[in-house]
Amino acid sequence: GESVGLHLPTLSVQEGDNSIINCAYSNSASDYFIWYKQESGKGPQFIIDIRSNMDKRQGQRVTVLLNKTVKHLSLQIAATQPGDSAVYFCAEINAPPSGSARQLTFGSGTQLTVLP
Amino acid sequence: DVKVTQSSRYLVKRTGEKVFLECVQDMDHENMFWYRQDPGLGLRLIYFSYDVKMKEKGDIPEGYSVSREKKERFSLILESASTNQTSMYLCASSLAGGDQPQHFGDGTRLSIL
Repeated sequence: GESVGLHLPTLSVQEGDNSIINCAYSNSASDYFIWYKQESGKGPQFIIDIRSNMDKRQGQRVTVLLNKTVKHLSLQIAATQPGDSAVYFCAEINAPPSGSARQLTFGSGTQLTVLP
Repeated sequence: DVKVTQSSRYLVKRTGEKVFLECVQDMDHENMFWYRQDPGLGLRLIYFSYDVKMKEKGDIPEGYSVSREKKERFSLILESASTNQTSMYLCASSLAGGDQPQHFGDGTRLSIL
């Protein structure tokens, strides 16, 4: 089956540095991607999304890049802060058989730790 | 902001009990979802619903059922709880359409003894 995965399970960065979290996907038919942040004891929180007709999308301190050629997605966090420490998931929308609703498939997550 | 509320943060039940997990959303979303989250396995879809009284199986529906009698409420039912159903359960909702983000509640940590 199709899968969404992450290159690294953990990432440590110094406070103030930029963070880059990577994600590989295998379903070339996927056309919508989302990044979520999950803090300890909480549910996943929507950060930013991107559609396959775009290469880049920016939010507040975050940028998502999509490279469809190599099926790679990345989340860049500028000036990383202690409050950014969390697990980050990428998710893709599957293209299921006709008649079914489209579903998200989640990667396993990357733990981001911000060092003082 | 979207608010997805799960009725319990922590729940402890015994093997064989019938367990109900409740979820309510306040944004008039058409779609609602139930996931379980386990270490090393990520989020796995149990069931989802795209309309009142409509439901579809996700990837791991065995041992579960759902109920959607009202648009804002989606219930997950463990018919006869087993220890392998000990997990974090997450409810989510989204607008209709393929390209809509899902918004999550804070989860129910369920322990089956």
